[in-house]
Parts: sequence; C-alpha cells; structure tokens
Amino acid sequence: AQTVTQSQPEMSVQEAETVTLSCTYDTSESDYYLFWYKQPPSRQMILVIRQEAYKQQNATENRFSVNFQKAAKSFSLKISDSQLGDAAMYFCAYSGNQFYFGTGTSLTVIP
Amino acid sequence: KAGVTQTPRYLIKTRGQQVTLSCSPISGHRSVSWYQQTPGQGLQFLFEYFSETQRNKGNFPGRFSGRQFSNSRSEMNVSTLELGDSALYLCASSLGLVGATDIQYFGAGTRLSVL
Repeated sequence: AQTVTQSQPEMSVQEAETVTLSCTYDTSESDYYLFWYKQPPSRQMILVIRQEAYKQQNATENRFSVNFQKAAKSFSLKISDSQLGDAAMYFCAYSGNQFYFGTGTSLTVIP
Repeated sequence: KAGVTQTPRYLIKTRGQQVTLSCSPISGHRSVSWYQQTPGQGLQFLFEYFSETQRNKGNFPGRFSGRQFSNSRSEMNVSTLELGDSALYLCASSLGLVGATDIQYFGAGTRLSVL
C-alpha cells in the first residue's frame, strides 16, 4: 500500500529565510503525482505545488520549489524568502489510484 | 468560479445520533472525495464518488456512507455517532480524470463534535 511520511511534525523559520520540509513516500506504481498542500489556520486546504513522477525537472511556483528524488522516493518542499503568510500546516500528498496524505508539518514563521 | 462549498461549517451531536454533511463541488467537477482530519491521524480518506458511483473507498466502518447526486453534489452520512467521530470532515472535488492526473480542490470543512 502507498504511504506518505512527513517526519517533521513542526518546523520554524525566520522571516525572509529559507526552509525545507521533508516528505518520503512508498509506492510500487510507476505513474503518479505528488503534491504539497497548505492548510492555513482558516482551514481551507490550498494546492501549493504539483510534480509529475515522469518528469525529472523539479517543479517551481514562485518562492516554492521541490526537490524530487524518484529513486529515493523523496519529495521535499523548499520555501524561499519566507513570509508571515506562509505559516500553516503543510501536507505532502501522493496521487495514484487515490490520494494519500502525510500527517503534516506545522510551519511557524518568526518575524 | 465558485469553490467547493461544505455545509454546515459546525455541528454538535450526541453519541448515537446520525449526521449528514453536504458538499457542493466546483462547477464541472464530477469527482468528490471525503476525508476525515484529526490531530493524531492526519487526513484519512473516506471515499470518492464519481458520476454518482462510489469509485474508491477507505478503511472506515459501514457507519460512514455517502452518495452523489446527478448534479455532482455529494452527501456524507455517519450513523450511530461515536465520540471518536469528532473531527474535521473535508470534501475535495476534481475533474475525476482517470489515473493520477487530477488536482483536488478542498472545501473549508465541517467541524463535527460528538458529545
């Protein structure tokens, strides 16, 4: 069965600094997608970034980028120039025949 | 375009009661998935409906059921509520594309408290 593991329950970063959130997954499928979702205190889950497994190039979205290591089954999220609005719970997710979510990393941004 | 709408936002029930939660997907989306979110367990997948049919199901007891209507709106029902059912229930809609290419868009959730 597919599993998604986020080993960092909590992380903190100084405003304007860079932080990396870790995610590993386990799967036997060859075709899948990986996602990072953000859940601010208001609770609405928002898609941050998406990576197709067949693409070697790492996805980027403005200040957000991923480091996708398919062989290692690792999918980390890097947030550059952290802002106060980045404070949220971040979930890593795997999509194959269905979605699987990690347990989340709570990110605190320190002014 | 309106987002995913979940109603109600908050519910308080007592043990043994049943509850129905509603989810209206983004216009044009045919797939609706339901998740249970608790602090200790994270997001647990309940089930997915596509074109009025249950397409995938998670490992939840039969007390948890759902359905989808012809307009893609979905309802989730929990019967014989237990204290452990207290959670945030999230609904996500997507186009329902075959395979792994879908993006799920989430509603704000329904906070259920069972007393």
